[in-house]
Amino acid sequence: GQNIDQPTEMTATEGAIVQINCTYQTSGFNGLFWYQQHAGEAPTFLSYNVLDGLEEKGRFSSFLSRSKGYSYLLLKELQMKDSASYLCAVRDALGAGSYQLTFGKGTKLSVIP
Amino acid sequence: EAGVTQSPTHLIKTRGQQATLRCSPISGHTSVYWYQQALGLGLQFLLWYDEGEERNRGNFPPRFSGRQFPNYSSELNVNALELEDSALYLCASSSVGSGNTIYFGEGSWLTVV
Repeated sequence: GQNIDQPTEMTATEGAIVQINCTYQTSGFNGLFWYQQHAGEAPTFLSYNVLDGLEEKGRFSSFLSRSKGYSYLLLKELQMKDSASYLCAVRDALGAGSYQLTFGKGTKLSVIP
Repeated sequence: EAGVTQSPTHLIKTRGQQATLRCSPISGHTSVYWYQQALGLGLQFLLWYDEGEERNRGNFPPRFSGRQFPNYSSELNVNALELEDSALYLCASSSVGSGNTIYFGEGSWLTVV
């Protein structure tokens, strides 16, 4: 099974940098995903890490340490539209072709002026 | 290219009734996933279909069932509805070609009264 922890809520100032942490304990691991979900909308894919290290994509970066069961999502130059929930998800390695994701409860980020 | 589409957007049912939700995956995607997102809770994995077969199911009672059709579209059936089934039901799809990244539809809001 999977246990995924992330902070419930965070607040940051427009233009600043914020880091959202995610820790996981899994019986298997085949990749870690970050999704953004605005209230009442579908989650949208942000990033994917399967190897240790940093993946950068514009204002968003995601880091993974498999040995520590740890990931973070870094958001730079925060904008008001970044106010949303950020979901950490782990793909299990149940077996060949198993691609479902297990999600954390999400971190609600509020960006203030 | 059209994304994952779901219908209906909203559905209101009475306790004890049955609900049917539908999903069309992204063209070319063969895997369909169903998730439940109850208010204040994280996404809970319900079912995974690939190539017309049920590949895995989450920790939900048997009254949650579904199927995948030859065109890879899918439906989720919830029988004997209970009040706690009120939630956002999200469908997602993936394929080997998309790196098995899961893309979500806008969801179907089910309210049980």
